[in-house]
Amino acid sequence: GQSLEQPSEVTAVEGAIVQINCTYQTSGFYGLSWYQQHDGGAPTFLSYNALDGLEETGRFSSFLSRSDSYGYLLLQELQMKDSASYFCALGGATNKLIFGTGTLLAVQP
Amino acid sequence: DTAVSQTPKYLVTQMGNDKSIKCEQNLGHDTMYWYKQDSKKFLKIMFSYNNKELIINETVPNRFSPKSPDKAHLNLHINSLELGDSAVYFCASSQVKETDTQYFGPGTRLTVL
Repeated sequence: GQSLEQPSEVTAVEGAIVQINCTYQTSGFYGLSWYQQHDGGAPTFLSYNALDGLEETGRFSSFLSRSDSYGYLLLQELQMKDSASYFCALGGATNKLIFGTGTLLAVQP
Repeated sequence: DTAVSQTPKYLVTQMGNDKSIKCEQNLGHDTMYWYKQDSKKFLKIMFSYNNKELIINETVPNRFSPKSPDKAHLNLHINSLELGDSAVYFCASSQVKETDTQYFGPGTRLTVL
């Protein structure tokens, strides 16, 4: 089967940079996605890596290394509104996403 | 302007009852999904439909029956509700070839008493 592990909680201060890691086990997949979910809200798509390397979208960047079965989401210039849960997810030929365990990011002033 | 909408937002009911959750998307997507998010925030796929056809059923109890009258709608009917069904249920949609980019509805918080 497929599984994805993330740290349960990360704390950082406003203006800082934070990295949220995701390690996975799978027999095959198309790409690694990242979703943000504010408390009481819906998951929203942030970023997608089909290939190894870094993808940058504004303050958010996502990285994938297939050889290491590892990816991360990098958030720069942290703002209070970035306090949320972040999920990595594997997508494949089965037309579904398998979500990671989620990381709760707390941004402190 | 709402992309993916769900009704109701909250649902409180007694064990043994039957309830339905409705979902509609106006994004023109081909594929729709139901997810269950438990109290630990674990998000798990339940069903996936592509153009009204069921393509994924993730070993969900047969008390859960999805219905897709057209590709813009995917409803979820739950029979004989149990305490363990309490969760937030999210509907989502995507283009069939872009399943990594899914658009989620606001969620329905189901509480079974």
